Amino acid sequence: DTGVSQDPRHKITKRGQNVTFRCDPISEHNRLYWYRQTLGQGPEFLTYFQNEAQLEKSRLLSDRFSAERPKGSFSTLEIQRTEQGDSAMYLCASSQVLSLQLEQFFGPGTRLTVL
Amino acid sequence: ILNVEQSPQSLHVQEGDSTNFTCSFPSSNFYALHWYRWETAKSPEALFVMTLNGDEKKKGRISATLNTKEGYSYLYIKGSQPEDSATYLCAFMGSGGYQKVTFGIGTKLQVIP
Repeated sequence: DTGVSQDPRHKITKRGQNVTFRCDPISEHNRLYWYRQTLGQGPEFLTYFQNEAQLEKSRLLSDRFSAERPKGSFSTLEIQRTEQGDSAMYLCASSQVLSLQLEQFFGPGTRLTVL
Repeated sequence: ILNVEQSPQSLHVQEGDSTNFTCSFPSSNFYALHWYRWETAKSPEALFVMTLNGDEKKKGRISATLNTKEGYSYLYIKGSQPEDSATYLCAFMGSGGYQKVTFGIGTKLQVIP
């Protein structure tokens, strides 16, 4: 396992379409996070999972956003009825809950452009 | 809303120059402060995780200090090289128990050969 992977790396879609992104964390990591970075901002927390349980959701995550981690391994982030304001870099990170280092390992991100 | 601020937002230095950035964060409910380096088209890479007031950490030419009582951390790069060009992000982790971090806006460093 070489790290956190995300797919796709880039997605261009038309306003109103649904999109789904996938994140594969480091295999032994039980925590998984989603962040969003818009132009000129730092990454903003969206949601996180411990194993398959979604334990917190940011108020940034509107009803159009849903995230799952069905088997406690990979996760998907779906955006329904995309809007131009959803254009951003979507980052996934994973960590080990017992890690004393507290480090989060990030994937390369999925850049979404909504036309 | 947690306020994590970084300055400057961007910086151009000549190769060989030393430089430093600042991250300020809430001084209450502190748990950890992370520094990441994010190169274009790559994943953010963790540089340091700092937890104790007075911590100083070093990795090659990069070092960081932490003052939790006044709520700031400095990142230093000695003898900047073109490969140091990246965005440097700091992230505050509060004592919430689940490792959620709040990022600053980042400092974009460009080292000119």
